[in-house]
Amino acid sequence: GAGVSQSPSNKVTEKGKDVELRCDPISGHTALYWYRQSLGQGLEFLIYFQGNSAPDKSGLPSDRFSAERTGGSVSTLTIQRTQQEDSAVYLCASSWSREAEAFFGQGTRLTVV
Amino acid sequence: QKEVEQNSGPLSVPEGAIASLNCTYSDRGSQSFFWYRQYSGKSPELIMSIYSNGDKEDGRFTAQLNKASQYVSLLIRDSQPSDSATYLCAVNRAAGNKLTFGGGTRVLVKP
Repeated sequence: GAGVSQSPSNKVTEKGKDVELRCDPISGHTALYWYRQSLGQGLEFLIYFQGNSAPDKSGLPSDRFSAERTGGSVSTLTIQRTQQEDSAVYLCASSWSREAEAFFGQGTRLTVV
Repeated sequence: QKEVEQNSGPLSVPEGAIASLNCTYSDRGSQSFFWYRQYSGKSPELIMSIYSNGDKEDGRFTAQLNKASQYVSLLIRDSQPSDSATYLCAVNRAAGNKLTFGGGTRVLVKP
């Protein structure tokens, strides 16, 4: 596709359920980032992929959060046993390389009720 | 000290004036610097990138980088109401593999 695609756009889930958020980066982009943005707040770094490997997982808030990237393309962010504090917009970005410009998808708005 | 710092604002400027936004960063080895614009309820949109010391101009936007002072700025000339948004400074740090964002500066352009 022409840009970074994220799905779903919106997700409402019950507390305690697991959710999967998907990111389809721009074709050929090797670097992929996940961020979280709570209402009125800045971007919180979650994880970075270079190809299929994740050299930096330091931003994952807890062991309930995990992410993977397969085939150097699509990435999935999984949140297990969701909590209300997980409610936020989850943003994915991709770039040609770590040093290059990163482009964002439209985000997934997660609401935990 | 935060890795990337910005004044949260709001920065209020009259239409047609120059808006000046500042950003400082802590990792002296940082190599890549970016400015993003984020409208309320939307995702960040890249507006400028700068990699070497000096000025870089693109239309009404000018980015300025001073690595010795660990400082990057963005000037918006002839500000328009449509420029009202939050502007995010992002730095690709040498230490670690992540693109780190400042908290953003909210800009309000008043007609």
